[in-house]
Amino acid sequence: DAKTTQPPSMDCAEGRAANLPCNHSTISGNEYVYWYRQIHSQGPQYIIHGLKNNETNEMASLIITEDRKSSTLILPHATLRDTAVYYCIVRVPTPLTGANSKLTFGKGITLSVRP
Amino acid sequence: GAVVSQHPSWVICKSGTSVKIECRSLDFQATTMFWYRQFPKQSLMLMATSNEGSKATYEQGVEKDKFLINHASLTLSTLTVTSAHPEDSSFYICSALTSGSGTQYFGPGTRLTVL
Repeated sequence: DAKTTQPPSMDCAEGRAANLPCNHSTISGNEYVYWYRQIHSQGPQYIIHGLKNNETNEMASLIITEDRKSSTLILPHATLRDTAVYYCIVRVPTPLTGANSKLTFGKGITLSVRP
Repeated sequence: GAVVSQHPSWVICKSGTSVKIECRSLDFQATTMFWYRQFPKQSLMLMATSNEGSKATYEQGVEKDKFLINHASLTLSTLTVTSAHPEDSSFYICSALTSGSGTQYFGPGTRLTVL
């Protein structure tokens, strides 16, 4: 997997948008950007993934730059329950079996949502 | 979204005993499952890749005779920590790979404490 770099932490006010950046300057052409989050003492939760187009679902939006070297996860209206560690991971989405489909977790970014 | 369960959610055992943790994909079939370990204030570390009907693939430094993995069906993988010691105390998390999108979904984790 290509490496990603994320700031160690950030905070935002409840109700405001949280924009979480991620750099992946060595991403390959067939690698997707995945975002997961882990709330304290729970398993990671899948949020969203994308290749080059912007993506949106009920949880968040993913904005990928045209050169694909960086991306931003946007939580449009952050709540206290969004306080978590957010992981940005790049990989080939291999739907078949095998070790190529494994995820490598970095340190992530700790998002703190304040009242 | 896809749901993955783990049982038990927490377990306390005596040193030298063995502990089995179950990981189930509840609403989809998973040919491949993964087992991770997470120590306090650290990120997830992949232990092994579990493939249905075949031997698991272990990451470097993980003892296959100590961490026995059995993936006997398309919805169940088990991790057995044999002859557990206090240093095995950790948060064990499994994930299951969907065949369609190739996305991994995680279980809620199992907290193991070895006395």
